[in-house]
Amino acid sequence: DIQMTQSPSSLSASVGDRVTITCRASQSISSYLNWYQQKPGKAPKLLIHAASSLQSGVPSRFSGSGSGTDFTLIISSLQPEDFAIYYCQQSYNIPLTFGGGTKVEIK
Amino acid sequence: EVQLVESGGGLVQPGGSLKLSCAASGFSFSGSTIHWVRQASGKGLEWVGRIRSKADSYATAYAASVKDRFTISRDDSKNTAYLQMNSLKTEDTAVYYCTRHPGFDLWGRGTLVTVSS
Repeated sequence: DIQMTQSPSSLSASVGDRVTITCRASQSISSYLNWYQQKPGKAPKLLIHAASSLQSGVPSRFSGSGSGTDFTLIISSLQPEDFAIYYCQQSYNIPLTFGGGTKVEIK
Repeated sequence: EVQLVESGGGLVQPGGSLKLSCAASGFSFSGSTIHWVRQASGKGLEWVGRIRSKADSYATAYAASVKDRFTISRDDSKNTAYLQMNSLKTEDTAVYYCTRHPGFDLWGRGTLVTVSS
């Protein structure tokens, strides 16, 4: 199985900050990498697919990059509604696997 | 409205069975692969399994943790996918979501399964 390792597991940031979350795969997954945002009691929401493609309706302050084994999610200017948990997921092969999550909290 | 709606969750004793449903509307269900993902309280996301479309012979795949206990099926005439869960364990307690592929862009709200005596 492909292991997905996210870092950090949590971070504190202020509104307006630039936030960077990384995700590393245990083997190459090309660009088969998705990023999700999850708020308490809600289903995950797709932000980025295919490593760098912004999902329709998602604000442009979110961006993704990377290929192979190393990926990054950047929030260019953190907004109050962005405080949530973020997960990466590989869809390169079965079983699909998720990173452990990054909790973005208010500083 | 484009949506997925899970149902069928509840409280069940260890060793028991439960069948979840995932009802789709507003899109071409028959052409979609449906995945089930679960999340224990306060924990991360865990893929459970998937069923592909008729064009791909309704192929199924499962996580090792549920293989031989869970079965995914679908009824395209009802735009519904199912997750039959047998021999339930306390560690199967979670919110169960269904989501579609390609895209993983649409998720249901989830249904809570509690396995407890």
